[in-house]
Amino acid sequence: AQTVTQSQPEMSVQEAETVTLSCTYDTSESDYYLFWYKQPPSRQMILVIRQEAYKQQNATENRFSVNFQKAAKSFSLKISDSQLGDAAMYFCASRVGTASKLTFGTGTRLQVTL
Amino acid sequence: NAGVMQNPRHLVRRRGQEARLRCSPMKGHSHVYWYRQLPEEGLKFMVYLQKENIIDESGMPKERFSAEFPKEGPSILRIQQVVRGDSAAYFCASSPILVIGMNTEAFFGQGTRLTVV
Repeated sequence: AQTVTQSQPEMSVQEAETVTLSCTYDTSESDYYLFWYKQPPSRQMILVIRQEAYKQQNATENRFSVNFQKAAKSFSLKISDSQLGDAAMYFCASRVGTASKLTFGTGTRLQVTL
Repeated sequence: NAGVMQNPRHLVRRRGQEARLRCSPMKGHSHVYWYRQLPEEGLKFMVYLQKENIIDESGMPKERFSAEFPKEGPSILRIQQVVRGDSAAYFCASSPILVIGMNTEAFFGQGTRLTVV
């Protein structure tokens, strides 16, 4: 069974600053994928970034990057130059193989202050 | 190419009624997943379907819940005899045909918020 743990229920960051959201996971599989999803008040689930476990290089998408520590089973999300529009719930998720269910963490609510 | 379409967006049912939630996957997508999100919680997997087949229903409650994805038409999540504890947001996601070695992405609909009164 897979588990995903997000230990920060809430985080706050000032506009233009950098924030890191933590996530740890547990799986016995070797072929898996990790994701960060953003859920704004509209409830839409928006894919922010994904990481294939077999890739050593950390994924980057514009202001969003991850720190993937495979041995420690850690997958944190760094948001640089935070913007007001980044305020949302952020969910870490894992998936085994190319087509199967996603396992989500409990989420981190990110507030962005002026 | 429209995204994943879920309807209705909001659904209110009295205890004991039936709720039917619909999901039209993206064009060309043949895999559908249903998730439930209770208030202040993450999404929990319910069921994974391909056209006319249930692939994984390990997250479905044993009673009152059923899902289908017919050859024609949307996927339907059906909840019979709803209770207050069924109040939640129900999300559908779809993904395309598998290609070995390719990371097939799942795209989410906007969800249906079910309120049982």
